[in-house]
Amino acid sequence: EAQVTQNPRYLITVTGKKLTVTCSQNMNHEYMSWYRQDPGLGLRQIYYSMNVEVTDKGDVPEGYKVSRKEKRNFPLILESPSPNQTSLYFCASSLGLDLAGGALHFGNGTRLTVT
Amino acid sequence: AQSVTQLGSHVSVSEGALVLLRCNYSSSVPPYLFWYVQYPNQGLQLLLKYTTGATLVKGINGFEAEFKKSETSFHLTKPSAHMSDAAEYFCAVSRGAAGNKLTFGGGTRVLVKP
Repeated sequence: EAQVTQNPRYLITVTGKKLTVTCSQNMNHEYMSWYRQDPGLGLRQIYYSMNVEVTDKGDVPEGYKVSRKEKRNFPLILESPSPNQTSLYFCASSLGLDLAGGALHFGNGTRLTVT
Repeated sequence: AQSVTQLGSHVSVSEGALVLLRCNYSSSVPPYLFWYVQYPNQGLQLLLKYTTGATLVKGINGFEAEFKKSETSFHLTKPSAHMSDAAEYFCAVSRGAAGNKLTFGGGTRVLVKP
C-alpha cells in the first residue's frame, strides 16, 4: 500500500531534550516536506526537499533541522525543543516537483507536546 | 508571495443542504489551486485540484470547485451535504509550474446537522 509513515504518533517531551520524528514514504517520490498545523493558522511549511541531499527552508524553519540521505526518508529533528513547538506535525511527499503531476500525500501526523 | 484566505473558520450545514466553502488567493503567477480534506486524527487527503484548462473542477465525494481568475477565488461546493462530510477543509495554492511550495489557508471546519 502506498503511504507516508510517521513515527511516533504522539510524543510528550521536556524543553531542551533533543528529539527526532521519522518520516518514510514507499512511493519513490522526489519531493518531501514537513508542515506544522496550528489552530486557525492552517498548515505552515517547515522544510522541504526536492531530492536526496537537497533541502530548503519553508516558512517556519527556526528550531528545526532535516536531512535527506535516502530518497524514502526525511526525518525532522528538534535539537532543543521549546513549548512553542507544541503542535501537530505532518510529513508529506509528492511525485511531481511542481505539485501538478501528483498531489501531496500526507502521513497521519505526529502530535508533539513540549513541557 | 502567495497567500490564501478562507472565509469562516466554522460552517454548519443541514444534511441535504448546499455546502459552500469560500477561498480567495493571491499569487504573482498563474497558480495551481487545491482543496484538501482532513478527517479526525488523519492526514490531509486531496479533494480536487486546478492546474490548467477547464475552470470547473470535479473532485471526489461529489465536491467541485470553480476557478475564477477575475475574482481570485476557488470556492468549494457540494449540492447536498452528507453526515460523512463533517471534516476540516483546506484550500491551498502553489506557484504553478514554478512552484514546489504549497501555501495553505487557515481551514474551515464543517459541521453537518441531521
